[in-house]
Amino acid sequence: QQQVKQSPQSLIVQKGGISIINCAYENTAFDYFPWYQQFPGKGPALLIAIRPDVSEKKEGRFTISFNKSAKQFSLHIMDSQPGDSATYFCAAFGDGGYNKLIFGAGTRLAVHP
Amino acid sequence: IAGITQAPTSQILAAGRRMTLRCTQDMRHNAMYWYRQDLGLGLRLIHYSNTAGTTGKGEVPDGYSVSRANTDDFPLTLASAVPSQTSVYFCASSGTYTGELFFGEGSRLTVL
Repeated sequence: QQQVKQSPQSLIVQKGGISIINCAYENTAFDYFPWYQQFPGKGPALLIAIRPDVSEKKEGRFTISFNKSAKQFSLHIMDSQPGDSATYFCAAFGDGGYNKLIFGAGTRLAVHP
Repeated sequence: IAGITQAPTSQILAAGRRMTLRCTQDMRHNAMYWYRQDLGLGLRLIHYSNTAGTTGKGEVPDGYSVSRANTDDFPLTLASAVPSQTSVYFCASSGTYTGELFFGEGSRLTVL
């Protein structure tokens, strides 16, 4: 069974600090690694994604770092804000193909003022 | 507003009863999915459909069935609900090969 291991389970950061969430995956059939953000009572929504032809992708305060040899990727949130408080999920496509996006267990981020 | 519509928003159900969660999309996406979300376990894929008329099993398909009669609708049926199926269920869709899933707002199901 394809697995995506995500850590930490929860994270508390002060406003202005850096939030770092890590993921490790097993074999994947489709080189595309997204991060989803979920606010309470809402469905997850795509935050940022990377294709491993690059080792890093940055969008505003959000950066994905990718290490293909280690099968790991991480999300960095710079200058974290209270509005970033949410649950974050990493994901990878299982060896069954592009129609089986497997999610990590999620990280609940709380950014304190 | 274009997107995924799920119904009901929440439901309390007696064990052994049959239940169908409805999902409709208006983005003309080929692929649709059902996930369940449980604390500490993240989102787990139940069933998926690549296109109308086809379905496939995900990580946790037992106790659930789906159908895809047309592009827009993808209902999830629990034939005989059990308490372990208490969860929040999310329907999602995606365009072919895009990799981005669009999620509905979820259906909270409690089985007593």
